[in-house]
Amino acid sequence: EDKVVQSPLSLVVHEGDTVTLNCSYEVTNFRSLLWYKQEKKAPTFLFMLTSSGIEKKSGRLSSILDKKELFSILNITATQTGDSAIYLCAVSTDSWGKFQFGAGTQVVVTP
Amino acid sequence: NAGVTQTPKFQVLKTGQSMTLQCAQDMNHNSMYWYRQDPGMGLRLIYYSASEGTTDKGEVPNGYNVSRLNKREFSLRLESAAPSQTSVYFCASSPDKNYGYTFGSGTRLTVV
Repeated sequence: EDKVVQSPLSLVVHEGDTVTLNCSYEVTNFRSLLWYKQEKKAPTFLFMLTSSGIEKKSGRLSSILDKKELFSILNITATQTGDSAIYLCAVSTDSWGKFQFGAGTQVVVTP
Repeated sequence: NAGVTQTPKFQVLKTGQSMTLQCAQDMNHNSMYWYRQDPGMGLRLIYYSASEGTTDKGEVPNGYNVSRLNKREFSLRLESAAPSQTSVYFCASSPDKNYGYTFGSGTRLTVV
């Protein structure tokens, strides 16, 4: 059975701290890994990763994939209160675009 | 604004009632999906439609049916609602298998 596990489940940090979120997976046919940010409503797309070792960056957020060790990390540097959200990891395992989601990591950034 | 539109945003049903959740996208995407989100369990796929005219079961299809009415619209029907179907439902679409999803804003459904 395909499995996507995120850790930690939740964390609280102070503004300015750096956060590292983990996503590990066990799937039969890996195709891609995506990160989403979910605030009050719908998840919004952050990154898609398909190749090992290539870092994707967007402002203070970055992500990298390790296909040998079967995990990805999402880093947020110089955190701001607006980074407070649930961060979701999803892995695609078939040709139809279906994704298996992890349970998410709740990040709370305090002023 | 382009995107995925879901209706209604909120709904309360009594056990045994039926209802249809509507979803429409105006991005000309081929694939559409219905997910439910429950605390601590992430998003779980209910049904998906890889292209117009096709639908298939996801991880948790029991108690649901879907219709891909045309390329734009993908509806989810609960024939006889149960309290276990209390959840937040998200519709999503993507242009093809190589892209991530665009999500709708969700429907919060409570079955009492």
